Amino acid sequence: AQTVTQSQPEMSVQEAETVTLSCTYDTSESNYYLFWYKQPPSRQMILVIRQEAYKQQNATENRFSVNFQKAAKSFSLKISDSQLGDTAMYFCAFMKQGGARDMRFGAGTRLTVKP
Amino acid sequence: NAGVTQTPKFQVLKTGQSMTLQCAQDMNHEYMSWYRQDPGMGLRLIHYSVGAGITDQGEVPNGYNVSRSTTEDFPLRLLSAAPSQTSVYFCASSSSSGRLNTQYFGPGTRLTVL
Repeated sequence: AQTVTQSQPEMSVQEAETVTLSCTYDTSESNYYLFWYKQPPSRQMILVIRQEAYKQQNATENRFSVNFQKAAKSFSLKISDSQLGDTAMYFCAFMKQGGARDMRFGAGTRLTVKP
Repeated sequence: NAGVTQTPKFQVLKTGQSMTLQCAQDMNHEYMSWYRQDPGMGLRLIHYSVGAGITDQGEVPNGYNVSRSTTEDFPLRLLSAAPSQTSVYFCASSSSSGRLNTQYFGPGTRLTVL
């Protein structure tokens, strides 16, 4: 079974600075997808970024980028130029390729951006 | 295009009562799933469906039933609610098309069982 671990329950960052959230996972699969979801106080789950395991190039979406280390089974999220609106819970998730879209989530990291 | 909708947003039940959480999507997605979110544990998969008439169990299925009679709807039934089922419930859907593996989530239902 796949497991996803987020070792930082809470983090904080000053506005405009950069922060990195950690995620590690355990799997015997070769082909899979990794995701970061954001959950603001509204409770809505919002996709931030996704990475396909067969791609060596790290995914980027505006201020968000990942550092994907397949051999180390690590998938960290970097947020540049942090904004107050980035304050939220962030979840790392794993999904194997060809599966029925059943995702495995980490326990989450609560990020607070301070003015 | 409303995406994934869930009703109700909030619900309080007494132990032993039954209820159905509704989920609908208008994106013609084949895959639909139910998750529960508990403090400190992230989201855990309850049941999922790969198409109308096809359902299967996820990580934490006990105490829940599902059915999928149409592509659009995927209700979750609690037959006899227990306090351990107090949680936030999310429905999600995604397409079976190749690389479109992103799951789209509904707004969630906060359920309290007394």
